[in-house]
Amino acid sequence: GENVEQHPSTLSVQEGDSAVIKCTYSDSASNYFPWYKQELGKRPQLIIDIRSNVGEKKDQRIAVTLNKTAKHFSLHITETQPEDSAVYFCAASSNTNAGKSTFGDGTTLTVKP
Amino acid sequence: NAGVMQNPRHLVRRRGQEARLRCSPMKGHSHVYWYRQLPEEGLKFMVYLQKENIIDESGMPKERFSAEFPKEGPSILRIQQVVRGDSAAYFCASSVDRGNQPQHFGDGTRLSIL
Repeated sequence: GENVEQHPSTLSVQEGDSAVIKCTYSDSASNYFPWYKQELGKRPQLIIDIRSNVGEKKDQRIAVTLNKTAKHFSLHITETQPEDSAVYFCAASSNTNAGKSTFGDGTTLTVKP
Repeated sequence: NAGVMQNPRHLVRRRGQEARLRCSPMKGHSHVYWYRQLPEEGLKFMVYLQKENIIDESGMPKERFSAEFPKEGPSILRIQQVVRGDSAAYFCASSVDRGNQPQHFGDGTRLSIL
């Protein structure tokens, strides 16, 4: 089955700096890669996703890049703000996995004011 | 348009009791997923259901756990004879179709076993 590894497990940045979180996946059939943000005690919320037919997607301060050959994808947050502090999860899924998403273990991002 | 609704938000049970967790998907969604999250850990897939069908239960423990998604009503995750190790947050998510579609999560049920 699919295996998703996420790094780093914790990340601390100064407000205004950029943050990058990286994930690798094992199943070459995976073709959908969402990112979720989970604040303490709350539900995971989809913040951005990318499909395997594109290499990059951007939404304001958030961008995701995908390298299918190397089987890795990354989340980039620019101009970080204290409210970006949360746990971020990457995930991978494919039609061959019957729609199941495999999640990374999460990255705890702390943005210091 | 109401989101994914889970209830109860908090559930306390004594060892050996049964826990029933409910999930109503978003309107128009017929695919439901259950995940378990231990404190400060990631989301672990448990089961994927479509109306009246279990599609993938590869993440479900073989004993004491069961799930259903009847034609009418919410999806139910049932844990029989609970043990302390069952204490966790259980999240439900739904999607409009199978495969590569965004999943929308509910607020979760925090299960505590005394």
